[in-house]
Amino acid sequence: DSGVTQTPKHLITATGQRVTLRCSPRSGDLSVYWYQQSLDQGLQFLIQYYNGEERAKGNILERFSAQQFPDLHSELNLSSLELGDSALYFCASSPEGRGTGETQYFGPGTRLLVL
Amino acid sequence: AQSVTQLDSQVPVFEEAPVELRCNYSSSVSVYLFWYVQYPNQGLQLLLKYLSGSTLVKGINGFEAEFNKSQTSFHLRKPSVHISDTAEYFCAVMHSGGSNYKLTFGKGTLLTVNP
Repeated sequence: DSGVTQTPKHLITATGQRVTLRCSPRSGDLSVYWYQQSLDQGLQFLIQYYNGEERAKGNILERFSAQQFPDLHSELNLSSLELGDSALYFCASSPEGRGTGETQYFGPGTRLLVL
Repeated sequence: AQSVTQLDSQVPVFEEAPVELRCNYSSSVSVYLFWYVQYPNQGLQLLLKYLSGSTLVKGINGFEAEFNKSQTSFHLRKPSVHISDTAEYFCAVMHSGGSNYKLTFGKGTLLTVNP
């Protein structure tokens, strides 16, 4: 158990809908990362937050947005869903989110299926 | 930009045999290197990482990896595998000293250990 929790575990929805994925980082970690794992694209970095502020953006679609709240939990919002958004979404956390090679601890993921 | 190539998508081996999972990376700047393991229906767990110093890095579960700067490789090895090592293994890089602390992952290698 990494100490990172994600809810829900599974989500089934229809095209065009909007969903929210939630992540609670390890106690004391200030930085949260979101990754998408799909069969065709593999594991891809979406976005990073540090202590409530956006720090880095990766291959995140404009239909997707995220935020980190004062209690440090984070939410990833996916809207106007398409079939291709079906994937496993991971959240990871690290203590400081600096480029020192610190370990990112991954949650169990949320499996999203868009029908 | 950096990229990671895992040369084998699948590696089948017999129990107690040695195994090597190959990883090459491409980057114009210095990087940190990581190996993560993903067991079925679970999140990613760090096996080991190379930040600096000795090029031979020891990790959990008897795994080790060797950083070779001239060949831009970071191959993962285990002298004797167990059935329980069956999982997907991901090599990843992080730009050292940059402002973007994302992990860039390879496509993964599925290690299957047969009795």
